[in-house]
Amino acid sequence: NAGVTQTPKFRILKIGQSMTLQCTQDMNHNYMYWYRQDPGMGLKLIYYSVGAGITDKGEVPNGYNVSRSTTEDFPLRLELAAPSQTSVYFCASSPTAREKSEAFFGQGTRLTVV
Amino acid sequence: DQQVKQNSPSLSVQEGRISILNCDYTNSMFDYFLWYKKYPAEGPTFLISISSIKDKNEDGRFTVFLNKSAKHLSLHIVPSQPGDSAVYFCAVTQGGRFGNEKLTFGTGTRLTIIP
Repeated sequence: NAGVTQTPKFRILKIGQSMTLQCTQDMNHNYMYWYRQDPGMGLKLIYYSVGAGITDKGEVPNGYNVSRSTTEDFPLRLELAAPSQTSVYFCASSPTAREKSEAFFGQGTRLTVV
Repeated sequence: DQQVKQNSPSLSVQEGRISILNCDYTNSMFDYFLWYKKYPAEGPTFLISISSIKDKNEDGRFTVFLNKSAKHLSLHIVPSQPGDSAVYFCAVTQGGRFGNEKLTFGTGTRLTIIP
């Protein structure tokens, strides 16, 4: 039972480089989220999606882009990496709103921008 | 502008005693509240939740209390065990255009259980 899978687990980027953080879930959840966690801080919502083709900004969307072409996948794109984007990134998914159920998280991607 | 605050960044409790973690929120429209537990190098995992129509929910050693008038949420763990040592996040959500769409997290409290 895979749940939410994130790749890669670790990555070092140079300033100005771009990359895509991959996230896939096999639970057929409609809702998916991207969070970042900076050292000693809580999780901040970057983007979220309530279904294929529908995405919206969270608290800290600047410097990121997302797409949701399928229910399973929700990639996060960094176009021009900056040191401020050094963080741990978590992807999560949850079932439909009516069930008011908890979100399931991936293990995280630790990104360092140098 | 922090909508969800956990004012204690850390807490140490003797094994067997009660651990009480607190969370305050600002928006009275939040209607569902959750607690997550996070170990190092892992993603958060769901622990317990409560709807705004209740003031208490219990699951084994874990009890969540909700005081809507004070906009305050607490998690009680009793008895505390060494395996409870982790960072605990409270999270809140409210109905939106598509339903229950955004989870907003607090900054977390690092709980250490002393053997």
